[in-house]
Amino acid sequence: DADVTQTPRNRITKTGKRIMLECSQTKGHDRMYWYRQDPGLGLRLIYYSFDVKDINKGEISDGYSVSRQAQAKFSLSLESAIPNQTALYFCATSDRGAGAGTDTQYFGPGTRLTVL
Amino acid sequence: AQSVAQPEDQVNVAEGNPLTVKCTYSVSGNPYLFWYVQYPNRGLQFLLKYITGDNLVKGSYGFEAEFNKSQTSFHLKKPSALVSDSALYFCAVIRGYNKLIFGAGTRLAVHP
Repeated sequence: DADVTQTPRNRITKTGKRIMLECSQTKGHDRMYWYRQDPGLGLRLIYYSFDVKDINKGEISDGYSVSRQAQAKFSLSLESAIPNQTALYFCATSDRGAGAGTDTQYFGPGTRLTVL
Repeated sequence: AQSVAQPEDQVNVAEGNPLTVKCTYSVSGNPYLFWYVQYPNRGLQFLLKYITGDNLVKGSYGFEAEFNKSQTSFHLKKPSALVSDSALYFCAVIRGYNKLIFGAGTRLAVHP
């Protein structure tokens, strides 16, 4: 979805380095999410935020942190990258709709991160 | 805990034939189910979702899915496959509030 952008699209880094992945959206959605995709495992939720002052851990938050700088921006940081964090990372957004926790999520194009 | 399973790693179909991508779910309470598609080097695109109501859900690109409570299934279908449908398909279920739990994915290959 072109309304959700992620930078960088590809990144190669070394073990121990600090990395930040950025997500921006122009959809006006309140809710934002970070996932990682690994072959054979589907996508797993790392962190999510329902508004600027709300940050929540997902299934696999260890080794990651996030910052919600504004409604439109949600960043994911790896404080000290390790090789098993090599994966495809996706940002997603959803609107606070009428559904009770059943929002449709819209995904960015992904960031391919390789940690050597 | 809520989960979904996609029993097939890959599905091969000839162009013009009907296709089915299988998904079964395990939930406590009402299931909220989604299908997404991922084309090469792209993010996931929403196809359709089942929240309540009619068991046959119609979505984007001519896809539909049938919710079957007795079989705990939510299979994705299309009457006539196109080569351009070749992609990775994910079934997902809501756990808690707005948290999507994904299956491992099924790769669909449509051959000319």
